[in-house]
Amino acid sequence: AQRVTQPEKLLSVFKGAPVELKCNYSYSGSPELFWYVQYSRQRLQLLLRHISRESIKGFTADLNKGETSFHLKKPFAQEEDSAMYYCALGGGSARQLTFGSGTQLTVLP
Amino acid sequence: DTGVSQDPRHKITKRGQNVTFRCDPISEHNRLYWYRQTLGQGPEFLTYFQNEAQLEKSRLLSDRFSAERPKGSFSTLEIQRTEQGDSAMYLCASSFPGQGPSDTEAFFGQGTRLTVV
Repeated sequence: AQRVTQPEKLLSVFKGAPVELKCNYSYSGSPELFWYVQYSRQRLQLLLRHISRESIKGFTADLNKGETSFHLKKPFAQEEDSAMYYCALGGGSARQLTFGSGTQLTVLP
Repeated sequence: DTGVSQDPRHKITKRGQNVTFRCDPISEHNRLYWYRQTLGQGPEFLTYFQNEAQLEKSRLLSDRFSAERPKGSFSTLEIQRTEQGDSAMYLCASSFPGQGPSDTEAFFGQGTRLTVV
């Protein structure tokens, strides 16, 4: 069965500090991992996906199959990064997403 | 706005009533998904359409739930005999298959918030 765990419901950091949002997954096949973000009063949107190995808005995430993790990192947090972040695992015949419960990131001035 | 649109944005209904939600996906997207999100949780998959065919349904989708996508464009999700436990945000997403398994980006609507009183 697919499962995504985000252990932190709330995370606060000061502006300019590094931030790491944790994500662990459980999946028997080859995982497809994503990070989605939801800013206040906006819809859920894709932030980045592991296969692209890209950096979006300064965020990166590395898939660690040994630790079954896909942590999201940013070296210097900005106030506009404050949002709800969801880690998601793609899979199944429908390629549906299995989401974690989310981490609310607050970047303090 | 050319994104995924959902209607209504909010719905308050009495227990036992039927409700229907509509989703209009991005026009060229042939995949359409319904998810449900309750407070403090991430979205949970309910069902999936490829064009007009409903190809996958979650165990979460009880017999009181039915979804359609009659012409492979918009979709409706109906809940019959609503219960208080049905109160949630119902999200629709659409996508278009890309070149590889992770090339597909799911675009989400803003959701319909259902409150059953």
